[in-house]
Amino acid sequence: KQEVTQIPAALSVPEGENLVLNCSFTDSAIYNLQWFRQDPGKGLTSLLLIQSSQREQTSGRLNASLDKSSGRSTLYIAASQPGDSATYLCAVGGSYIPTFGRGTSLIVHP
Amino acid sequence: NAGVTQTPKFQVLKTGQSMTLQCAQDMNHNSMYWYRQDPGMGLRLIYYSASEGTTDKGEVPNGYNVSRLNKREFSLRLESAAPSQTSVYFCASSLTSGGLKNEQFFGPGTRLTVL
Repeated sequence: KQEVTQIPAALSVPEGENLVLNCSFTDSAIYNLQWFRQDPGKGLTSLLLIQSSQREQTSGRLNASLDKSSGRSTLYIAASQPGDSATYLCAVGGSYIPTFGRGTSLIVHP
Repeated sequence: NAGVTQTPKFQVLKTGQSMTLQCAQDMNHNSMYWYRQDPGMGLRLIYYSASEGTTDKGEVPNGYNVSRLNKREFSLRLESAAPSQTSVYFCASSLTSGGLKNEQFFGPGTRLTVL
């Protein structure tokens, strides 16, 4: 059974820092991996979808990489801002049932 | 373009009561999903519909039923609510299903409490 782990579980940083959030998965036979953002009391917002044939995907200050062979993905956030404070989740798709990690709770303080 | 909408936003039920959670999407997506999110458990798939007219069980289907009413709408029914079904329920949609081949888009959620 696929297991997805996100480290760290929580992170608090000052504004302006560059951040790396980690997502690891146990079964490398995946199709794609998707990163989401969730604000308190809200739904999930899609950030990036990395297809299994890609190694990375970029959107603005966000860059996500995927290494299937090692079972890892990282989300890089450049020049963090207080508005980036949220929980970040990764989801891995290897079948019809996606598997989600439990998320990294990020606080960026001014 | 509203994306994925869910009703109601909040609901409190007594044990044994029934209710239906409604979900609609206006993105012309073929696939729709119901998840529940619990503290410390992450999101778990309850049921999904790969296309209009089909539904399949996910990871935690017991105690739930679903109906894909048409391409736009996918409802989740609790026939006899139990306290263990207290959770936040999310509906999602994607162009097609299977291994996250396409991005999933989520609704705002329904916060359900069963007393």
